[in-house]
Amino acid sequence: SQTIHQWPATLVQPVGSPLSLECTVEGTSNPNLYWYRQAAGRGLQLLFYSVGIGQISSEVPQNLSASRPQDRQFILSSKKLLLSDSGFYLCACLSNRGETEAFFGQGTRLTVV
Amino acid sequence: SQQGEEDPQALSIQEGENATMNCSYKTSINNLQWYRQNSGRGLVHLILIRSNEREKHSGRLRVTLDTSKKSSSLLITASRAADTASYFCATDASDYKLSFGAGTTVTVRA
Repeated sequence: SQTIHQWPATLVQPVGSPLSLECTVEGTSNPNLYWYRQAAGRGLQLLFYSVGIGQISSEVPQNLSASRPQDRQFILSSKKLLLSDSGFYLCACLSNRGETEAFFGQGTRLTVV
Repeated sequence: SQQGEEDPQALSIQEGENATMNCSYKTSINNLQWYRQNSGRGLVHLILIRSNEREKHSGRLRVTLDTSKKSSSLLITASRAADTASYFCATDASDYKLSFGAGTTVTVRA
């Protein structure tokens, strides 16, 4: 089965600082990769997804960007964080073989102060 | 935008009782999945039901799917305190965009 490594687990950053969250995947190749944000007590908002290297689809306009420099690496970035960027960020992986379950990382809790 | 919407938002039951939650979605799907999230953690897959299936069982879980109504239900039988968590439905449409609902928070009282 697939394993998702996501770090860091928690992060406190000042407003205006840059952000880089990394997610790497083991146990599969050519997966679909996803970044979600979850506000406290709320559902998951899909931010970006990628079906291959260099291919990024953005779901909502925002202060964030994503990149996929390698097949099993997905990075979430920001040049200047806003207070509203605070939240719980989850990386997920879906095998590109069709109807399978998604595997999630353990999440990064980002607090912008 | 979110594809699935769970109902109710929160559910509190006594240990041993059954818990039922529903999910509605908007567009055609390949499959529908249910996930569980313990507080502050990632999501864990529970069960997947394909668009041509109507019911599926896994242990104490029973999932139904009604594609004509674009809805699904998750039943947890004989609930335990360890079932306390948030439960999400997710839909996988043809563009591989995995979309989640807002979730149902289940509290099982001992």
